[in-house]
Amino acid sequence: QQQVKQSPQSLIVQKGGISIINCAYENTAFDYFPWYQQFPGKGPALLIAIRPDVSEKKEGRFTISFNKSAKQFSLHIMDSQPGDSATYFCAASMRTGTASKLTFGTGTRLQVTL
Amino acid sequence: KAGVTQTPRYLIKTRGQQVTLSCSPISGHRSVSWYQQTPGQGLQFLFEYFSETQRNKGNFPGRFSGRQFSNSRSEMNVSTLELGDSALYLCASSLEVAKTQYFGPGTRLLVL
Repeated sequence: QQQVKQSPQSLIVQKGGISIINCAYENTAFDYFPWYQQFPGKGPALLIAIRPDVSEKKEGRFTISFNKSAKQFSLHIMDSQPGDSATYFCAASMRTGTASKLTFGTGTRLQVTL
Repeated sequence: KAGVTQTPRYLIKTRGQQVTLSCSPISGHRSVSWYQQTPGQGLQFLFEYFSETQRNKGNFPGRFSGRQFSNSRSEMNVSTLELGDSALYLCASSLEVAKTQYFGPGTRLLVL
């Protein structure tokens, strides 16, 4: 119940196209869903995050769509650019008392071609 | 504001040795979490510290331990290193437990 399933494992998109990465979770106690972007040799950087009380959040070219009933959420990257080529991780978190932890998806390697 | 810093950035050890990794959180952040990242297992939670107390622990053997100091800086220790411990060890800090986590660049550990 702690897993977060992410797909696809890799994605190739042409410059200017839309990149879509999907995640699904089991545990309804998760209450925070961030997306992280990681470049080679770097730590993950927070991209955008959403809580389950909203169905969509947009920041620039990045949008999270959240479907609470289906227990799914997705990242859309509009007008994808070569600089977006990186590995993207979805994650889910819940607070239990005075503790919390992030459970990560397996990652999607995105390549944006010219 | 400076980000999360981790030292050392790279480390080579041999089997059986022990290693200590250090993490300095963002100024004002009081919670520190540690993660192990490997190509096979992805990002896995090790432990979380807040107010010098371990608040949560992942499914790792007892060879993995950590601590947090009064200034919120944290260290993790791995004893009796195994080849499978080769990984990128990431530290993340947040203002408090269950708040947004910000990651450092990681320490890449190679066990020979």
